[in-house]
Amino acid sequence: DAGVTQSPTHLIKTRGQQVTLRCSPKSGHDTVSWYQQALGQGPQFIFQYYEEEERQRGNFPDRFSGHQFPNYSSELNVNALLLGDSALYLCASSRTPNYGYTFGSGTRLTVV
Amino acid sequence: RKEVEQDPGPFNVPEGATVAFNCTYSNSASQSFFWYRQDCRKEPKLLMSVYSSGNEDGRFTAQLNRASQYISLLIRDSKLSDSATYLCVVNGDNFNKFYFGSGTKLNVKP
Repeated sequence: DAGVTQSPTHLIKTRGQQVTLRCSPKSGHDTVSWYQQALGQGPQFIFQYYEEEERQRGNFPDRFSGHQFPNYSSELNVNALLLGDSALYLCASSRTPNYGYTFGSGTRLTVV
Repeated sequence: RKEVEQDPGPFNVPEGATVAFNCTYSNSASQSFFWYRQDCRKEPKLLMSVYSSGNEDGRFTAQLNRASQYISLLIRDSKLSDSATYLCVVNGDNFNKFYFGSGTKLNVKP
């Protein structure tokens, strides 16, 4: 049973560029949440997708956007990258929005 | 004030010791609570949910104190493999939004 899969695992981008991160939820899960984890910090909630809609959003600017597809997979897009966007981006899926999450291994984004 | 606060540690304990972590939360309307474990440079993994009546899973016991708005994790008979960062997770005033603490680092030494 495949868990949550994320791609790519590592990425290096230049300031001002745009990036798209991808996530496939665990089988049987329909809710996908995205988190940003800076070094030494706990994950920060970006947003959650359920039924192809953004249901909740954390304190992140509009440069962060997302999408959920009919097969429940999801994308996170970040425009106009800043150095401060360098972090581990975690995707988490759950059976319902209020259930415990299963996390993917993350995408480590470095902005130079 | 942060939604969830944890003592960052590190807690350095010998094998076989009992260790406890607390985590405080600010939103009295929170309904869902979890403990996650995160190994260095890995993703967080669900350790256990925290129920109102308290719950136990082997050497791990989780408790919820609604009056004081904190949850706790007790680890008995610590193993070297318990060394990790333990993250407390609490939902906000909307079930769809979860807040993580910054984590408590545990080092179990031989």
